[in-house]
Amino acid sequence: GQSLEQPSEVTAVEGAIVQINCTYQTSGFYGLSWYQQHDGGAPTFLSYNALDGLEETGRFSSFLSRSDSYGYLLLQELQMKDSASYFCAVRDRRNQGGKLIFGQGTELSVKP
Amino acid sequence: GAVVSQHPSRVICKSGTSVKIECRSLDFQATTMFWYRQFPKKSLMLMATSNEGSKATYEQGVEKDKFLINHASLTLSTLTVTSAHPEDSSFYICSAYSEHVGYTEAFFGQGTRLTVV
Repeated sequence: GQSLEQPSEVTAVEGAIVQINCTYQTSGFYGLSWYQQHDGGAPTFLSYNALDGLEETGRFSSFLSRSDSYGYLLLQELQMKDSASYFCAVRDRRNQGGKLIFGQGTELSVKP
Repeated sequence: GAVVSQHPSRVICKSGTSVKIECRSLDFQATTMFWYRQFPKKSLMLMATSNEGSKATYEQGVEKDKFLINHASLTLSTLTVTSAHPEDSSFYICSAYSEHVGYTEAFFGQGTRLTVV
């Protein structure tokens, strides 16, 4: 089967740093992605790792270790608007037909 | 980035009726689109892969006669919930990849909140 595990919720204060971990077990693997979803909205893309290592995009960074089937999303200088659900997701292959399987989501609450 | 448009954003229908949801890729062609279902505070559950010009591929446990998918053109996929019942009430979202960004990022429609009364 396929499964992705991530914490269900995290709380932090403005300006802090938060790390959301994701471990996965999937039959096919072509990259780990992270998506943000605000209540009632569509998921929006944050980052993508196909190879081991750290990818940095502004305040957000994402890390992947394929040997450990593990990755994380790091959010720095937290802002109130970062309160949302964050999903890790695995692609099972590269081309257009590659399915995206999502984790259960981590609800991040940023407090003042 | 690429744009995926989904319509309607909200729909309320009576039990026993059918509802059609449209998903369009506005500035790119998509031979494959994906349909997800999401319950409140839950993950996105992949329902099916919509393939242009051929039958959709359904995930295990998803009734293909209940959720009809048609992908008649490179920019349009439709999901029809047939004989809807209250348990079909949910948030339905479509997505597609664009070759312009190397298939690394999935673009999502705005979602459709279906309420069956």
